Amino acid sequence: DTAVSQTPKYLVTQMGNDKSIKCEQNLGHDTMYWYKQDSKKFLKIMFSYNNKELIINETVPNRFSPKSPDKAHLNLHINSLELGDSAVYFCASSQDGDLLRKQFFGPGTRLTVL
Amino acid sequence: GESVGLHLPTLSVQEGDNSIINCAYSNSASDYFIWYKQESGKGPQFIIDIRSNMDKRQGQRVTVLLNKTVKHLSLQIAATQPGDSAVYFCAATGHSSASKIIFGSGTRLSIRP
Repeated sequence: DTAVSQTPKYLVTQMGNDKSIKCEQNLGHDTMYWYKQDSKKFLKIMFSYNNKELIINETVPNRFSPKSPDKAHLNLHINSLELGDSAVYFCASSQDGDLLRKQFFGPGTRLTVL
Repeated sequence: GESVGLHLPTLSVQEGDNSIINCAYSNSASDYFIWYKQESGKGPQFIIDIRSNMDKRQGQRVTVLLNKTVKHLSLQIAATQPGDSAVYFCAATGHSSASKIIFGSGTRLSIRP
Protein backbone atom coordinates (compact mmCIF):
# COMPACT_ATOMS: atom_id res chain seq x y z
CA ASP A 1 0.00 0.00 0.00
CA THR A 2 1.33 3.41 -0.95
CA ALA A 3 2.06 5.57 2.10
CA VAL A 4 2.22 8.95 0.36
CA SER A 5 0.69 9.21 -3.07
CA GLN A 6 0.62 12.06 -5.55
CA THR A 7 -1.32 12.64 -8.74
CA PRO A 8 -0.53 13.17 -11.46
CA LYS A 9 2.99 11.77 -11.82
CA TYR A 10 3.63 13.88 -14.92
CA LEU A 11 2.04 17.18 -15.84
CA VAL A 12 2.80 19.03 -19.06
CA THR A 13 1.02 22.31 -19.60
CA GLN A 14 1.23 25.68 -21.29
CA MET A 15 2.33 28.92 -19.67
CA GLY A 16 -0.53 30.82 -18.10
CA ASN A 17 -2.61 27.76 -17.27
CA ASP A 18 -3.83 26.82 -13.80
CA LYS A 19 -3.13 23.34 -12.51
CA SER A 20 -3.44 21.30 -9.33
CA ILE A 21 -1.41 18.48 -7.82
CA LYS A 22 -2.99 16.22 -5.25
CA CYS A 23 -1.40 14.45 -2.33
CA GLU A 24 -2.73 11.90 0.10
CA GLN A 25 -1.09 10.05 2.96
CA ASN A 26 -2.48 6.98 4.70
CA LEU A 27 0.03 6.99 7.56
CA GLY A 28 -2.13 8.93 9.98
CA HIS A 29 0.49 11.68 10.15
CA ASP A 30 -0.31 15.13 11.44
CA THR A 31 2.00 17.16 9.23
CA MET A 32 2.26 17.38 5.47
CA TYR A 33 4.66 19.28 3.23
CA TRP A 34 5.25 20.42 -0.29
CA TYR A 35 8.76 20.60 -1.69
CA LYS A 36 10.12 21.79 -5.02
CA GLN A 37 13.15 20.06 -6.52
CA ASP A 38 14.89 21.87 -9.33
CA SER A 39 16.94 20.44 -12.18
CA LYS A 40 20.06 20.47 -10.00
CA LYS A 41 18.31 18.27 -7.43
CA PHE A 42 18.10 21.06 -4.91
CA LEU A 43 15.16 20.34 -2.60
CA LYS A 44 13.40 23.31 -1.05
CA ILE A 45 10.43 23.35 1.27
CA MET A 46 7.47 25.40 0.12
CA PHE A 47 4.69 24.77 2.63
CA SER A 48 3.93 22.75 5.71
CA TYR A 49 0.54 22.01 7.24
CA ASN A 50 -0.09 20.56 10.68
CA ASN A 51 -3.62 19.29 11.29
CA LYS A 52 -4.91 21.37 8.40
CA GLU A 53 -3.22 24.55 9.61
CA LEU A 54 -0.45 26.29 7.72
CA ILE A 55 2.72 26.35 9.80
CA ILE A 56 5.49 26.93 7.27
CA ASN A 57 5.07 29.20 4.31
CA GLU A 58 8.33 29.87 2.58
CA THR A 59 8.79 32.70 0.16
CA VAL A 60 6.91 31.35 -2.79
CA PRO A 61 4.82 33.35 -5.26
CA ASN A 62 1.20 33.72 -4.22
CA ARG A 63 0.31 31.92 -7.44
CA PHE A 64 0.95 28.81 -5.35
CA SER A 65 -1.87 28.01 -2.95
CA PRO A 66 -1.92 24.90 -0.81
CA LYS A 67 -5.20 23.51 0.45
CA SER A 68 -5.70 20.90 3.12
CA PRO A 69 -9.28 19.60 3.24
CA ASP A 70 -8.32 17.16 6.00
CA LYS A 71 -5.11 16.06 7.61
CA ALA A 72 -4.64 13.21 5.15
CA HIS A 73 -4.68 15.48 2.10
CA LEU A 74 -2.63 18.44 0.99
CA ASN A 75 -3.21 19.72 -2.50
CA LEU A 76 -1.20 22.32 -4.36
CA HIS A 77 -2.87 24.67 -6.79
CA ILE A 78 -0.77 26.79 -9.12
CA ASN A 79 -2.21 29.74 -11.03
CA SER A 80 -0.78 31.37 -14.14
CA LEU A 81 2.00 28.85 -14.61
CA GLU A 82 5.41 30.16 -15.65
CA LEU A 83 8.39 28.48 -17.28
CA GLY A 84 10.32 28.69 -14.00
CA ASP A 85 7.71 26.56 -12.28
CA SER A 86 9.00 23.53 -14.17
CA ALA A 87 10.39 21.18 -11.54
CA VAL A 88 9.57 18.04 -9.61
CA TYR A 89 7.17 18.66 -6.74
CA PHE A 90 7.25 16.32 -3.79
CA CYS A 91 4.66 15.89 -1.11
CA ALA A 92 5.76 14.49 2.24
CA SER A 93 4.29 13.75 5.64
CA SER A 94 5.62 13.26 9.14
CA GLN A 95 4.37 12.47 12.61
CA ASP A 96 5.64 15.17 14.90
CA GLY A 97 6.41 14.42 18.45
CA ASP A 98 9.28 13.90 20.70
CA LEU A 99 10.73 11.40 18.36
CA LEU A 100 11.55 12.23 15.18
CA ARG A 101 10.34 14.25 12.33
CA LYS A 102 11.46 11.94 9.67
CA GLN A 103 9.44 12.54 6.58
CA PHE A 104 7.94 10.13 4.15
CA PHE A 105 7.98 11.39 0.59
CA GLY A 106 5.64 10.76 -2.28
CA PRO A 107 6.92 9.69 -5.71
CA GLY A 108 6.91 13.25 -7.05
CA THR A 109 5.07 15.11 -9.80
CA ARG A 110 7.19 16.26 -12.69
CA LEU A 111 5.73 19.54 -13.92
CA THR A 112 6.81 20.83 -17.31
CA VAL A 113 5.62 24.26 -18.39
CA LEU A 114 5.96 24.96 -22.11
CA GLY B 1 21.16 32.63 5.84
CA GLU B 2 20.91 29.07 6.95
CA SER B 3 22.52 26.50 4.77
CA VAL B 4 23.34 22.87 4.64
CA GLY B 5 26.06 21.90 2.25
CA LEU B 6 27.85 18.83 1.15
CA HIS B 7 31.54 18.69 0.52
CA LEU B 8 31.40 16.80 -2.75
CA PRO B 9 28.72 16.81 -5.42
CA THR B 10 29.74 13.34 -6.66
CA LEU B 11 31.40 10.34 -5.09
CA SER B 12 32.56 7.20 -6.85
CA VAL B 13 33.47 4.12 -4.83
CA GLN B 14 34.41 0.55 -5.57
CA GLU B 15 31.76 -2.03 -4.85
CA GLY B 16 32.45 -3.52 -1.45
CA ASP B 17 34.33 -0.49 -0.14
CA ASN B 18 32.98 1.86 2.50
CA SER B 19 31.48 5.19 1.45
CA ILE B 20 31.62 8.38 3.46
CA ILE B 21 29.41 11.32 2.55
CA ASN B 22 29.97 14.56 4.43
CA CYS B 23 27.69 17.45 5.22
CA ALA B 24 28.14 20.81 6.95
CA TYR B 25 25.38 22.95 8.44
CA SER B 26 25.40 26.55 9.55
CA ASN B 27 22.64 26.91 12.15
CA SER B 28 23.82 26.13 15.68
CA ALA B 29 20.17 25.84 16.74
CA SER B 30 19.68 22.78 14.54
CA ASP B 31 19.07 19.81 16.75
CA TYR B 32 17.79 17.12 14.46
CA PHE B 33 19.53 15.76 11.39
CA ILE B 34 18.36 13.33 8.78
CA TRP B 35 19.92 11.53 5.84
CA TYR B 36 17.83 10.71 2.81
CA LYS B 37 18.52 8.59 -0.25
CA GLN B 38 16.93 9.46 -3.56
CA GLU B 39 17.03 6.96 -6.38
CA SER B 40 16.41 8.04 -9.93
CA GLY B 41 12.76 8.88 -10.57
CA LYS B 42 11.73 8.44 -6.95
CA GLY B 43 11.14 10.55 -3.90
CA PRO B 44 13.71 10.86 -1.12
CA GLN B 45 13.69 7.93 1.27
CA PHE B 46 14.61 8.17 4.93
CA ILE B 47 17.85 6.37 5.83
CA ILE B 48 18.84 7.39 9.33
CA ASP B 49 18.55 10.31 11.69
CA ILE B 50 20.29 11.66 14.76
CA ARG B 51 19.44 14.11 17.51
CA SER B 52 21.90 16.67 18.73
CA ASN B 53 22.29 14.92 22.07
CA MET B 54 24.05 12.07 20.29
CA ASP B 55 27.25 11.94 18.30
CA LYS B 56 26.82 8.58 16.63
CA ARG B 57 23.98 6.39 15.53
CA GLN B 58 24.10 3.11 13.68
CA GLY B 59 21.64 1.41 11.41
CA GLN B 60 21.90 -1.48 9.04
CA ARG B 61 25.17 -0.91 7.14
CA VAL B 62 24.89 2.84 7.80
CA THR B 63 26.33 5.04 10.51
CA VAL B 64 25.77 8.73 11.04
CA LEU B 65 28.33 10.78 12.93
CA LEU B 66 27.58 14.24 14.29
CA ASN B 67 30.18 16.76 15.35
CA LYS B 68 28.35 19.75 16.79
CA THR B 69 31.55 21.62 17.53
CA VAL B 70 32.33 22.05 13.86
CA LYS B 71 28.72 21.64 12.69
CA HIS B 72 29.45 18.62 10.57
CA LEU B 73 27.79 15.30 10.02
CA SER B 74 28.67 12.33 7.90
CA LEU B 75 27.00 9.24 6.56
CA GLN B 76 29.05 6.09 6.35
CA ILE B 77 27.85 3.19 4.24
CA ALA B 78 29.62 -0.09 4.85
CA ALA B 79 30.34 -2.55 2.04
CA THR B 80 28.78 -0.39 -0.64
CA GLN B 81 26.53 -2.24 -3.04
CA PRO B 82 25.22 -1.36 -6.52
CA GLY B 83 21.82 -0.67 -4.95
CA ASP B 84 23.38 2.16 -2.96
CA SER B 85 23.75 4.23 -6.13
CA ALA B 86 21.64 7.32 -5.55
CA VAL B 87 21.74 10.96 -4.52
CA TYR B 88 22.15 11.39 -0.78
CA PHE B 89 20.79 14.42 1.06
CA CYS B 90 21.40 15.58 4.56
CA ALA B 91 18.80 17.78 6.23
CA ALA B 92 18.83 19.81 9.41
CA THR B 93 16.00 21.21 11.45
CA GLY B 94 15.02 22.41 14.90
CA HIS B 95 12.88 20.73 17.50
CA SER B 96 9.46 22.20 16.72
CA SER B 97 7.13 21.46 13.86
CA ALA B 98 7.43 25.09 12.77
CA SER B 99 11.20 24.82 12.38
CA LYS B 100 12.52 25.09 8.88
CA ILE B 101 13.86 21.94 7.35
CA ILE B 102 16.94 22.76 5.33
CA PHE B 103 18.16 20.22 2.81
CA GLY B 104 21.68 20.01 1.49
CA SER B 105 22.36 20.05 -2.21
CA GLY B 106 22.93 16.31 -2.49
CA THR B 107 25.85 14.01 -3.25
CA ARG B 108 25.55 11.57 -6.10
CA LEU B 109 27.07 8.23 -5.13
CA SER B 110 28.09 5.92 -7.97
CA ILE B 111 29.45 2.43 -7.53
CA ARG B 112 32.24 0.98 -9.65
CA PRO B 113 32.01 -2.78 -10.25
